Amino acid sequence: NAGVTQTPKFRVLKTGQSMTLLCAQDMNHEYMYWYRQDPGMGLRLIHYSVGEGTTAKGEVPDGYNVSRLKKQNFLLGLESAAPSQTSVYFCASSSHGSPSTDTQYFGPGTRLTVL
Amino acid sequence: AQSVTQPDIHITVSEGASLELRCNYSYGATPYLFWYVQSPGQGLQLLLKYFSGDTLVQGIKGFEAEFKRSQSSFNLRKPSVHWSDAAEYFCAVGVSRGGAQKLVFGQGTRLTINP
Repeated sequence: NAGVTQTPKFRVLKTGQSMTLLCAQDMNHEYMYWYRQDPGMGLRLIHYSVGEGTTAKGEVPDGYNVSRLKKQNFLLGLESAAPSQTSVYFCASSSHGSPSTDTQYFGPGTRLTVL
Repeated sequence: AQSVTQPDIHITVSEGASLELRCNYSYGATPYLFWYVQSPGQGLQLLLKYFSGDTLVQGIKGFEAEFKRSQSSFNLRKPSVHWSDAAEYFCAVGVSRGGAQKLVFGQGTRLTINP
């Protein structure tokens, strides 16, 4: 099993450009998450999904949109990129919604630079 | 609101020496606590987690952590570090929110190993 994969691994954008980050998992997990990681701040939750066709806002959702059209995929979109969105983006998935019974599995990350 | 503090941004230890990474949390209820490790250029891997029962938790790679409710701490320990332990370590508290498992991360501690 590949686990959680992310595409692309690196990307450089100019301010105002748009792009979509793809997360795919082959573990048949119901729950998927997008985080961003910035120096000195740990990971912060952007958006999450509790199942196919659902999305919800996390801690820092502004400037991002997401879609979960298929259970195995969770897309993160930037409609008009800003330098403040320069970050490393991590996707994660889990089979349950309770931290007492389940674990989030993380992808390798996408390093995005916005000039 | 829940929060996690890792007081040490960077720690350097010699190979073979013991290690303790500190983590303090703020959460009103019984916390679900996690330690993740991130090797350079990689995603996050779960080392161990606590959700109930024995306050001393054993994890992978020879790590253990002790939950101390009175001190709101969940410190990570290893008796003898190896050069391969050089990585960034994240403590997190997990809560169920909106039907999903929300993780709140600390800022991370970067571990350097001297030969």
